[in-house]
Amino acid sequence: DAGVIQSPRHEVTEMGQEVTLRCKPISGHDYLFWYRQTMMRGLELLIYFNNNVPIDDSGMPEDRFSAKMPNASFSTLKIQPSEPRDSAVYFCASSLDPPSRVNTGELFFGEGSRLTVL
Amino acid sequence: TQLLEQSPQFLSIQEGENLTVYCNSSSVFSSLQWYRQEPGEGPVLLVTVVTGGEVKKLKRLTFQFGDARKDSSLHITAAQPGDTGLYLCAGSNFGNEKLTFGTGTRLTIIP
Repeated sequence: DAGVIQSPRHEVTEMGQEVTLRCKPISGHDYLFWYRQTMMRGLELLIYFNNNVPIDDSGMPEDRFSAKMPNASFSTLKIQPSEPRDSAVYFCASSLDPPSRVNTGELFFGEGSRLTVL
Repeated sequence: TQLLEQSPQFLSIQEGENLTVYCNSSSVFSSLQWYRQEPGEGPVLLVTVVTGGEVKKLKRLTFQFGDARKDSSLHITAAQPGDTGLYLCAGSNFGNEKLTFGTGTRLTIIP
């Protein structure tokens, strides 16, 4: 299995531009998570989906952020307009079952998308 | 919001030494996971604990879940350079499956 695939790996953009981050989860995984990681705030959950349906988006910073999962094999995280404080590494992760399940709740992370907003 | 505080934030020790890192919360969790993250990569799961007082061993790593399921510890015996990385604990609860990560412990093992 190829694992969770994220693109782009690196993105440098200017303030005000639209940014779209993409994620392909592991086939058969029902849960998909978007996290943001910074030195100051650590790893923060932005939103998670179950069977393509958004379950909890309380971590989405503000209306500039939106996430979609049109099908089981693809998700996007969009920032419009982007701001310098959005600079971070954005991770997508998928799991077969909820994290609380001992043997099947493991989150598999992608390699991340490093975003720099100038 | 359920917070997970990890300590120490940074730890640098010599190869062969033992160490313990901690994960504490004022909230109860149904389960707690430990991940290790290396530079440029995503976190990778080490273990999941679900029972208060549970102890799990993974080679030189020993994980313990507190009796009240509010805290956990990770003990490494005879640390090796390959243990270097960011160690993250993460908690979740049945019925609300958002996985909340701790603040992390950045471990460096000096050869």
